[in-house]
This record gives sequence, C-alpha cells and structure tokens, in this order.
Amino acid sequence: EVQLVESGGGLVQPGGSLRLSCAASGFTFNNYGMSWVRQAPGKGLEWLSYISSTSTTIYYTDSVKGRFTVSRDNAKNALYLQVNSLRAEDTAVYFCARYRMVIVPHLDYWGQGTLVAVSS
Amino acid sequence: DIQMTQSPSSLSASVGDRVTITCRASQSINNYLNWYQQKPGKAPKLLIYAASNLQSGVPSRFSGSGSGTGFTLTISNLQPEDVATYYCQQSYNTLSWTFGQGTKVEIK
Repeated sequence: EVQLVESGGGLVQPGGSLRLSCAASGFTFNNYGMSWVRQAPGKGLEWLSYISSTSTTIYYTDSVKGRFTVSRDNAKNALYLQVNSLRAEDTAVYFCARYRMVIVPHLDYWGQGTLVAVSS
Repeated sequence: DIQMTQSPSSLSASVGDRVTITCRASQSINNYLNWYQQKPGKAPKLLIYAASNLQSGVPSRFSGSGSGTGFTLTISNLQPEDVATYYCQQSYNTLSWTFGQGTKVEIK
C-alpha cells in the first residue's frame, strides 16, 4: 500500500524557516517524481514544486521561487521541502504527492499533510 | 499562467441525482486535465486523469469528458459519500500546474 506521511510543520514567526519531510513507503520511491501542494485555511489547492526521480529536474511556482527548496533522499525514501523567509500568506497545510505520467502527468497518491502556521 | 475556472462554486443535490461540474481553461490544454476529490479534513484523491480516464478503484458513477478548453466531471448517481469539494487541475504547462477554485457538493 502506497503511503506518504508528512511531518515538520508547526508554528513559526514571520521570516522563520522550517524543513518539511515526507516519508514514502509501499512503492519504489526512486522510480517516481514527487510534488508539493499546499492549501491555505478554507482555500483551494496550490501546486508548489516538482522534483524528478533523480533530482535532475526541479520546478517551482513563482510565488515560492528563491524561498523554498525541494530535495529528496532516495536511500531514505524521503522527500523534503525547505521553507525559508516565511510570510503570513504561507500559512497552509502542505501535502506531498506522487507524480505519475500515464497519458498526462497527474498526482495519484497524496499524504495527509502537515500544517505550517506563520504568526508572531 | 493557465487559469482554471470551475462552475458552479457550490451545489446541492439529492441522492440519486446526476451532477455535472464544469471546468474551463484560459487556453487550450488538450486533454491535460485531472479531477480530484477532497473530503473535509482529508487529502485530495485522484478521480479522473487525462480528462476521461477513471483512476483505479474509483466508482464508475464518476466520469469525465472534454478537450481543449472545456471539461466536465459528472457524478451519475449522487451518493452521500460523494459530499466533498472537487478540483480540476491542468498539467499542460510543465513549469506551472494550476487548480480550479473548487466546487463544493452537498446533499439536499
């Protein structure tokens, strides 16, 4: 069974940093690209980033470029998102999701999310 | 960025009803359109990929259609467990995926 479990969220002051983690199991992690998606309280979904299976290709949405860094450790079956220079508008639940390419790209499995709250 | 617009924003229907949600893209995205279901407090779940392909394990009462700029998600026989918010998502623009704003489905 595919499982994705996020951790590392919490309450942080504006300008602060966090490192979010996503532990993967139930599939061959190093065969799949991964993405991060977030959801502000009561709002819709926002795609943040993509990292390929070998980390050679990385994309970010414009609003987080230069502040967020995605990485992975295939030996540990782990995905990471380093989030820096946090702002109030970064308050959200952060989901990791598995990228699959069948006909078109899509996200076929999602974790339960980890909450990041930015407040003084 | 490609903008995705869903309608309606919310709807209320009776059990057994046929429900249709529309998603429009600001430019042609061929069939690079996916649908997700999100129940309250839960993670999104993939329902449909490539506009009309049912994800494994998803009930056959869900179906998708469309191409280019116009797409629909249909629930043919609404069940109580279908109460959720539904999102369309384009994956045409490799550098920037975008979601629709969501359609909240409730039972009358």
